Amino acid sequence: DIQMTQSPSTLSAAVGERVTITCRASQSISSWLAWYQQKPGKAPKLVIYKASNLENGVPSRFSGSGSGTEFTLTISSLQPDDFAIYYCQHYNTYSPTFGQGTKVEIK
Amino acid sequence: EEQLVESGGGLVQPGGSLRLSCAASGFTFSGYEMNWVRQAPGKGLEWVSYISTSGNTIYYADSVKGRFTNSRDNAKSSLYLQMNSLRAEDTAVYFCAKEESSGYYSSWGQGTLVTVSS
Repeated sequence: DIQMTQSPSTLSAAVGERVTITCRASQSISSWLAWYQQKPGKAPKLVIYKASNLENGVPSRFSGSGSGTEFTLTISSLQPDDFAIYYCQHYNTYSPTFGQGTKVEIK
Repeated sequence: EEQLVESGGGLVQPGGSLRLSCAASGFTFSGYEMNWVRQAPGKGLEWVSYISTSGNTIYYADSVKGRFTNSRDNAKSSLYLQMNSLRAEDTAVYFCAKEESSGYYSSWGQGTLVTVSS
């Protein structure tokens, strides 16, 4: 199975800051990568699909990039509603895998 | 509005069984592949099982293969997960998720908690 590794595990940032989360795949996954946001006690919510496509209704301050084995999720100006855990996911496979998550905390 | 609602979770002893359900509404259920994903307390997301639109193709994570059975009833817009021979490590919130054509999950239920403990 392809392993997905996110960094950092925890990120402390202030409102208005630009933040970047990295996700690395153990082998090339083309652009078959999604990002999800999860808040405590809630279901994950799709943010980005196919590495760089913004899901409908997601604010434009979110963006994704990358292909192959290295991907990034960027929040251009962190808002109070963005404090959450973010997961990357490799899909389009018989065995989809998630990264371990990155917690974005208030600084 | 699309909605997925899981039910059937609860406390079960090791070795026991439980059947989870996921009721779908607001979209044409029969046209979408579906998945189960779980999350152990305080841990990350783990894919459990996939089922095709017809139910003829099903995949499982190695951790549940031979113990869990994924199925669907398109007439009832419902997805099911029969869980047998449950272990403590199966304790988790179980989510059902709607899969888009290329494979990402566009909609999730709120989850149902399964606790395996004596």
